[in-house]
Amino acid sequence: KAGVTQTPRYLIKTRGQQVTLSCSPISGHRSVSWYQQTPGQGLQFLFEYFSETQRNKGNFPGRFSGRQFSNSRSEMNVSTLELGDSALYLCASSPATGGETQYFGPGTRLLVL
Amino acid sequence: EDKVVQSPLSLVVHEGDTVTLNCSYEVTNFRSLLWYKQEKKAPTFLFMLTSSGIEKKSGRLSSILDKKELFSILNITATQTGDSAIYLCAALLNRGSNYKLTFGKGTLLTVNP
Repeated sequence: KAGVTQTPRYLIKTRGQQVTLSCSPISGHRSVSWYQQTPGQGLQFLFEYFSETQRNKGNFPGRFSGRQFSNSRSEMNVSTLELGDSALYLCASSPATGGETQYFGPGTRLLVL
Repeated sequence: EDKVVQSPLSLVVHEGDTVTLNCSYEVTNFRSLLWYKQEKKAPTFLFMLTSSGIEKKSGRLSSILDKKELFSILNITATQTGDSAIYLCAALLNRGSNYKLTFGKGTLLTVNP
């Protein structure tokens, strides 16, 4: 089976812009979770989508949003970018919701200037 | 506030050494403890520990959970340069019908030839 894929792999934006990241889960997986990883804060949970519904949400501002399509592909959107949003954004897919046995994608490295 | 603390933050060893990585947690509604290995970008799943005192093994890696003292260790014997990575532990917590996954900041392991 193909692994989790994320596009784009690298992105440079300026403050105030918005960005959309994409994640395609492993075939058959219905849960997609998003994480932000920074050197200072480590890996932090953003949200999880399961069967097109947001099932779980971390402590991030409303500028961070997402959605999931009927084929389980997911997008994450960040509006009004801030310098502190520079990070590695990882998505992980899982056959079911619940947080266990997640398979991570390679990530999107976002740099906000 | 839920906390997961890993130690040491970084470690440098020589090939063939045995290492022990620590993960302690102070959380509510604990369900499981997860270990991941992160090389370059995508974390890969290593172990999930739910019961105290039961060692899980995979080749040269093993891990055990102590739910009374609230910690887990990850052992790597006969280390190889390919073991160089960041090792992440995460506490999986119940939150009503949902869950929360809280990560530690990781231990950076460098194995020198």
